[in-house]
Amino acid sequence: GAVVSQHPSWVICKSGTSVKIECRSLDFQATTMFWYRQFPKQSLMLMATSNEGSKATYEQGVEKDKFLINHASLTLSTLTVTSAHPEDSSFYICSARSGGPNNEQFFGPGTRLTVL
Amino acid sequence: EDKVVQSPLSLVVHEGDTVTLNCSYEVTNFRSLLWYKQEKKAPTFLFMLTSSGIEKKSGRLSSILDKKELFSILNITATQTGDSAVYLCAGTQGGSEKLVFGKGTKLTVNP
Repeated sequence: GAVVSQHPSWVICKSGTSVKIECRSLDFQATTMFWYRQFPKQSLMLMATSNEGSKATYEQGVEKDKFLINHASLTLSTLTVTSAHPEDSSFYICSARSGGPNNEQFFGPGTRLTVL
Repeated sequence: EDKVVQSPLSLVVHEGDTVTLNCSYEVTNFRSLLWYKQEKKAPTFLFMLTSSGIEKKSGRLSSILDKKELFSILNITATQTGDSAVYLCAGTQGGSEKLVFGKGTKLTVNP
């Protein structure tokens, strides 16, 4: 199956700093990538849909100025958490759509963010 | 508002037992229902269901969709300790292809 990677796999930062998370589709081109957030013992919540070459579409309640998404190429999308605070600590997961017959989404391994 | 509800939220069984996990959904312009297994990291894909009444099978796992009742089940027979995980169900919105996830069922299989 298609492979999606994320980097870093975990990050610890101080409150007020910005953190960038990368999501790459390794063996296919992804015109659409999705960013999810998962708090402990909760399900995945979609944050935004990232389309290559255009602005991301954010879900209700997600601050676009705080969670900056860039999808500059068909294999890379980045999520930057700006001025991170402890309440932003979470598991961030991306997925990439293959565009195949099933339009399946493949998930990255996730990034654990801890803001001190 | 779109929602996916899974039950039970948690389940503890012994090896060899058979389990049935439930998923009901209300998703705008519904296209498909997906099941994922999540261990410590990101979800891994199990099944995608688009048609009612057609069972999909992979080893000891099987799943079926009822589009009239807006319901799906995931069956695991002869459970093993390696089946311990959170099982997530998600509905896909047609067009946007957004996934709406349920909260998951945490399955624990004891030896």
